Amino acid sequence: DIVMTQTPLSSPVTLGQPASISCRSSQSLVHSDGNTYLSWLQQRPGQPLRLLIYKISNRFSGVPDRFSGSGAGTDFTLKISRVEAEDVGVYYCMQATQFPRTFGQGTKVEIK
Amino acid sequence: EVQLVESGGGLVQPGGSLRLSCAASGFTFSSYAMTWVRQAPEKGLEWVSAISGSGGNTYYADSVKGRFTISRDNSKNTVYLQMNSLRAEDAAVYYCGSGGSGTYYNWGQGTLVTVSS
Repeated sequence: DIVMTQTPLSSPVTLGQPASISCRSSQSLVHSDGNTYLSWLQQRPGQPLRLLIYKISNRFSGVPDRFSGSGAGTDFTLKISRVEAEDVGVYYCMQATQFPRTFGQGTKVEIK
Repeated sequence: EVQLVESGGGLVQPGGSLRLSCAASGFTFSSYAMTWVRQAPEKGLEWVSAISGSGGNTYYADSVKGRFTISRDNSKNTVYLQMNSLRAEDAAVYYCGSGGSGTYYNWGQGTLVTVSS
C-alpha cells in the first residue's frame, strides 16, 4: 500500500498569513496513464468533505484561488496564500493512483 | 447541484449486519465511480471500498475484504455498502463519494455506524 505522510499535523496560522502543508508518498504517484492522482480534501467542522485540488494542482469548481497545489512524483504541497477564518479545519491529501486509496493523517489548520 | 445522501447507519451488535445506502442526484450516476470512506471517532480518513460506474469492478480495503460488499443500482441512482460480521473497529462515520479517473469530486454528509453490545 502507498503510505501518505503529511507535515505538519497542526498548523496555527495568523489570519491573512500563508499556510503550507506537505504530503509525501512512499512511492511515485504517477499512473501508467501519465496522470498523478493526488488530491487535497478539506474537512470543516460539521461540513461534508470538500475536494479542493485534484491531479496535484487543479482547483475544483468553486474553490477560491488562495488555495494552490504543487509537486510531482512523491512530494506535494498545498498552500493557502492568505488564511481566512473559514479555512479552519483538517486538510487531507489522498492518492488515487492505485488501490487501496490512501490518505495522509490530516493537518489541522487553526487560527492563532 | 450534486447531492449525495447516506443513510442506514445505526447501532448494531458485534457480529451483526447493516446496509448503508447513498442516494445520488444532480449528475449522470452511471457514468461515475463511487466510493466509501470512513472516519472513526477522533481519527483520520480510511478508504473502504469503490465501484466502477457500470458496477463491473469493485475494490476493497484489506480490513473489510470478505465482510463488506459494495454494489449499485443505476436505475435508482444509489450505491450500497453491505456490512457483515461487524466489529468494534468498524464503528465510524461512513461517507460516500462520487468521481472517476482517479478523483472523487463530491461527498455526502456521512452516516454513523456504532458497533456495541
